[in-house]
Order: sequence, then structure tokens, then C-alpha cells
Amino acid sequence: ETGVTQSPTHLIKTRGQQVTLRCSSQSGHNTVSWYQQALGQGPQFIFQYYREEENGRGNFPPRFSGLQFPNYSSELNVNALELDDSALYLCASSYDDLSGNTIYFGEGSWLTVV
Amino acid sequence: GESVGLHLPTLSVQEGDNSIINCAYSNSASDYFIWYKQESGKGPQFIIDIRSNMDKRQGQRVTVLLNKTVKHLSLQIAATQPGDSAVYFCADRNPGRRALTFGSGTRLQVQP
Repeated sequence: ETGVTQSPTHLIKTRGQQVTLRCSSQSGHNTVSWYQQALGQGPQFIFQYYREEENGRGNFPPRFSGLQFPNYSSELNVNALELDDSALYLCASSYDDLSGNTIYFGEGSWLTVV
Repeated sequence: GESVGLHLPTLSVQEGDNSIINCAYSNSASDYFIWYKQESGKGPQFIIDIRSNMDKRQGQRVTVLLNKTVKHLSLQIAATQPGDSAVYFCADRNPGRRALTFGSGTRLQVQP
């Protein structure tokens, strides 16, 4: 049990639709990162939020966006869904990621785009 | 749930044997390294981490070895159990980036 909770666990969307995924970080953690894991691959970094500000971004288009709230929970929004967006979306939290503290992952949200 | 790592390198060991999973990283500036275990349909589970100022770190039944000269990381699991069957990922991070960079993963199969 990592203390990182994600919702929903599974969802199916149609191409072109929009989706919002949610993450509640471990108590005391102020840094949240989102990763995309396609089938058969390792997780790929999407972006990170530190104290409600985006703090780094991977090679993902602008239709992937996010928010971090004052309680450090976070959302990942994906607009104009494409079939290739089908993946496991992982949220990871840590305390003050700048100093290399342990990073804990949630169980993920499985997104299927049809 | 769906399984990940359908076409990953596979290490098959007998129950009770020791397992060694290897990982190469590419960024010589990386200063922090983590091993994760991922079971089918679940998120990555933290196993052990090590910082670049160390060569070895031990946990419960696990040991991580870091060789910065050849940019190589290994995870040793003692007395491997059926519950250790999963996909194992190494990840590294360099001081200038916020992201973890994950390796491609190794599937560990423990034969009873």
C-alpha cells in the first residue's frame, strides 16, 4: 500500500472525446508526476507538478494537461483522444522531488480508446 | 486486469534460488536509481533505491549493485519465491530533470 490512489481504475472512451484522471498523493507529498505505460513497455514521463506548478514535461503534446490542487491531489486531462492513447496512466508522488526522495506509484488508471 | 511486458526478456529461476536482474542505463549524470516490481494489472511497486555515491545497498532479501563505470545496475533477490514473479523495471534520474527514465523491464518467472 503506497498511499497513492487513482480513479477511475478502468474506463473506455471514444476517439475524439476528453478524459480526466484523478490522483490523490501520499500524505505529506507535495510532488506529483504522471506517466503513461503502453502495453509491453516501461512507463513514460508525461509531466510533474510541484506545489501546484508544472515542474517538467516529457515528450507529450499539449492536449495532455494537468492540475495540482492545494491539497496536492492532481488531475490529468487528455483532449481529442486518439487510439494510441490507450494505456495505463500512472500517478507517482514524493516529497520534494528535487532531493531524490523515494517515489511511490499508484495502481494506475487503464484507459481504452475505441 | 491486463498484463504488461508481453514481449520482455524473461528470467526463469527455480524457487529457492537466487535471482539476478540486470539493467543498463545511458545517462552518466544520473544520480538516483530505483528498482520497481510490477505485477500483472497493477502499478509499479517500489523495491529498493540507491544514490550514485553508493555501490551497494541491501534490503530485505534484495540487494542493488551500482557500477557507474559501465553504467550498470543489478538487482539480486535471495531465495526467490513464487510471489516474486513479476516484471521488474529499473529507473534512473539525473539532477537536471524531473522524470524517471525506465528501462524496458525483465519478466521474472519462478518455477515451483
